[in-house]
Amino acid sequence: GDSVTQMEGPVTLSEEAFLTINCTYTATGYPSLFWYVQYPGEGLQLLLKATKADDKGSNKGFEATYRKETTSFHLEKGSVQVSDSAVYFCALSTQGAGKSTFGDGTTLTVKP
Amino acid sequence: GAVVSQHPSRVICKSGTSVKIECRSLDFQATTMFWYRQFPKQSLMLMATSNEGSKATYEQGVEKDKFLINHASLTLSTLTVTSAHPEDSSFYICSATLMNTEAFFGQGTRLTVV
Repeated sequence: GDSVTQMEGPVTLSEEAFLTINCTYTATGYPSLFWYVQYPGEGLQLLLKATKADDKGSNKGFEATYRKETTSFHLEKGSVQVSDSAVYFCALSTQGAGKSTFGDGTTLTVKP
Repeated sequence: GAVVSQHPSRVICKSGTSVKIECRSLDFQATTMFWYRQFPKQSLMLMATSNEGSKATYEQGVEKDKFLINHASLTLSTLTVTSAHPEDSSFYICSATLMNTEAFFGQGTRLTVV
């Protein structure tokens, strides 16, 4: 079945540091890939997405490129802020956006 | 963007009682909604797919008689945890899709069974 493997956390960075959270996947067919962010006590918010190979999703300074050859969708940001502290989930869907398979989540803490 | 509202955000109930959680799509019609469960510091596990006007489709291992799902209209799905026990304590999140291209999540419900 489909699966998503995410870099284990927690990740702690200083403000303005470079962020990479690794995500690899296994899926039948051609999935759409997503990154979601969850702030404490809240639901998930879509951060970015890519629907086909070589697509780059970007939002709020975050980027991720759909790499079919390495089945990866790593999340990057050049300069993190304290407000980026949250849990980040990588996810895929082969049946549209709704029925998604999630990674275990990576907790990011950014210190001033 | 589209908004999905989930209510209540927190609920504490006694063991043996039932709890209903509502999930509403506020500004769009959702023929399909999804219910997830999230354990502390873990990922989301899909529980069931809620289809408007028909029975929900449950994932393997999810007790359909314990987690009753009703999708009576295009904007409302409800999850009822029946005869709740402490092991049912969890964070429950619903989502709805718009044109099946993007999923919008509710803010989640923290259920504590005492």
